[in-house]
Amino acid sequence: AQSVTQLDSHVSVSEGTPVLLRCNYSSSYSPSLFWYVQHPNKGLQLLLKYTSAATLVKGINGFEAEFKKSETSFHLTKPSAHMSDAAEYFCVVSGSYNTDKLIFGTGTRLQVFP
Amino acid sequence: DTAVSQTPKYLVTQMGNDKSIKCEQNLGHDTMYWYKQDSKKFLKIMFSYNNKELIINETVPNRFSPKSPDKAHLNLHINSLELGDSAVYFCASSPNAQAAGYTFGSGTRLTVV
Repeated sequence: AQSVTQLDSHVSVSEGTPVLLRCNYSSSYSPSLFWYVQHPNKGLQLLLKYTSAATLVKGINGFEAEFKKSETSFHLTKPSAHMSDAAEYFCVVSGSYNTDKLIFGTGTRLQVFP
Repeated sequence: DTAVSQTPKYLVTQMGNDKSIKCEQNLGHDTMYWYKQDSKKFLKIMFSYNNKELIINETVPNRFSPKSPDKAHLNLHINSLELGDSAVYFCASSPNAQAAGYTFGSGTRLTVV
């Protein structure tokens, strides 16, 4: 069965420093992978998606993620954190081949200090 | 115009009551979903409908009954509400059941007291 593991439940960074949110996946096929962001008391917004095209995926707000099959990882990075990046981030995998079911990780809360 | 809209945004009700959450999408998508986010922020799919037909029905108590009158609407009715039903419920839609094409609604926070 497909699954994702977010390795950190909380990450704290200072404004202007790099962000790294880690995600490992488990899949019996080449998966579709996503990062979603949820700001406090808000809905879910898609940051970026990997669907078997380029392994380095650029998303919104300066975020990017790299699909590494050999490491089964899909880590999310940003060169310079902004206060508005403080939110909950979810790594997500599609449920199985050619399906639309999304399987969410447990989330990483990103705190950004001034 | 909101692409996927849910009503109400907040719902506080007593145990044992029956309540409904409505969802509408104006994107022309064929597939709609309900996801539940628990108090620990864990998200899990409950149901999906494709063109009014039930496709995914996860292990959800039968007190939860989705209804899709047309492909633009997917409502969630919950009977005999329990404390454990307190959560945020998200509606979503996608074109042709594509995982890469989801649009989520803003969520309905249900509190059972």
